[in-house]
Amino acid sequence: EIVLTQSPGTLSLSPGERATLSCRASQSLSSTYLAWYQQKPGQAPRLLIYGASSRATGIPDRFSGSGSGTDFTLTISRLEPEDFAVYYCQQYGTSPRTFGQGTKLEIK
Amino acid sequence: EVQLLESGGGLVQPGGSLRLSCAASGFTFSNYAMSWVRQAPGKGLEWVSAIGGSGGSTFYADSVRGRFTISRDNSKNTLYLQMNSLRSEDTAVYYCAKGYGDNPRVYDCWGQGTLVTVSS
Repeated sequence: EIVLTQSPGTLSLSPGERATLSCRASQSLSSTYLAWYQQKPGQAPRLLIYGASSRATGIPDRFSGSGSGTDFTLTISRLEPEDFAVYYCQQYGTSPRTFGQGTKLEIK
Repeated sequence: EVQLLESGGGLVQPGGSLRLSCAASGFTFSNYAMSWVRQAPGKGLEWVSAIGGSGGSTFYADSVRGRFTISRDNSKNTLYLQMNSLRSEDTAVYYCAKGYGDNPRVYDCWGQGTLVTVSS
């Protein structure tokens, strides 16, 4: 099973700042089968990025994904108040599909 | 509008059974793979099971294989998860999730979740 490790566990930033979230895989991923989700308290997750760098339908362009192999990054260029949430990465190239433990993005 | 609505959660004793349902609307249900993903209280996400659009292919996490069965009724636009031999570690919110077009293992629509509590 591929283990995804996200860092940092918690990221404290202010609106308008740039956020960089990391996801590291225990082994190289098949192609770029890496997705990112956002989850707010009491809500279901929301798909942001798939294929490591493709934005899902309706996702603002301040969200971007990059990376390959074992190291992947989600970048939020300028934080909006609604972006403070928990973010999960997911690999889906190898069974079983697995999620990282999450990064909490909180307001500083 | 794409909608997924789970039901069937509740309190069950260890060793008991429960069947979850997920009613889908707003898309051609039979064209999409579907999955169940769970989240234990205060914890992260865990993929549980998946099924192809026709229902012919099913997949399970090791933690539930042999105890849970995923199925679908495309005539009723409904996804199911039959859960047997439930354990305390199965306590979680269970989400049904829709595969994202050509990327069936990525989920672009989720239900609101249904809580399963396994406790005596």
